[in-house]
Amino acid sequence: NAGVTQTPKFRILKIGQSMTLQCAQDMNHNYMYWYRQDPGMGLKLIYYSVGAGITDKGEVPNGYNVSRSTTEDFPLRLELAAPSQTSVYFCASSYHGRPTDTQYFGPGTRLTVL
Amino acid sequence: KQEVTQIPAALSVPEGENLVLNCSFTDSAIYNLQWFRQDPGKGLTSLLLIQSSQREQTSGRLNASLDKSSGRSTLYIAASQPGDSATYLCAVKGSQGNLIFGKGTKLSVKP
Repeated sequence: NAGVTQTPKFRILKIGQSMTLQCAQDMNHNYMYWYRQDPGMGLKLIYYSVGAGITDKGEVPNGYNVSRSTTEDFPLRLELAAPSQTSVYFCASSYHGRPTDTQYFGPGTRLTVL
Repeated sequence: KQEVTQIPAALSVPEGENLVLNCSFTDSAIYNLQWFRQDPGKGLTSLLLIQSSQREQTSGRLNASLDKSSGRSTLYIAASQPGDSATYLCAVKGSQGNLIFGKGTKLSVKP
């Protein structure tokens, strides 16, 4: 199993550009999450999904959009990139959202907006 | 609103020492608490998960405790090694199902 994979690893955007961060998992997990981690800070939840076709906002959703058309994939779309979106983005997945379920994380995408 | 605090922010110890990392949270209504390890440029690796009904969990040289009533957890690392150098993150799972993270403790173990 590859686990949770993310592409690209690094990206530099200009203000106003758009891009999609890709996330895929091969563990047949129902739940998937997007977090961002700013320097010296903990992770904050952007969006999450409890299954294909179902998404919901997390703590910091503004400026982002998501879709979940398959169990495996959960892309994150940035529209009109702003310097405040410079961060490291982590995708995670878990089988369910039960208290016993561990979240498995991808290696992250480091995004810089100039 | 749930807030998670980790103390200290950074810690440097000589190899072989036993050490304790601290985590506190403001709302005791949690489903579980997890300790993660984060290596530079890498994702997070789950170390230990303690359910709200449990008091502690152990894995090898790691032991994590949970005191819900006081809003505290500790991660104990025995006989530290240079390979333990990393940032350790504490996260609590609340009623909405999302993880709320602390800022982490950056640990450096000197040979």
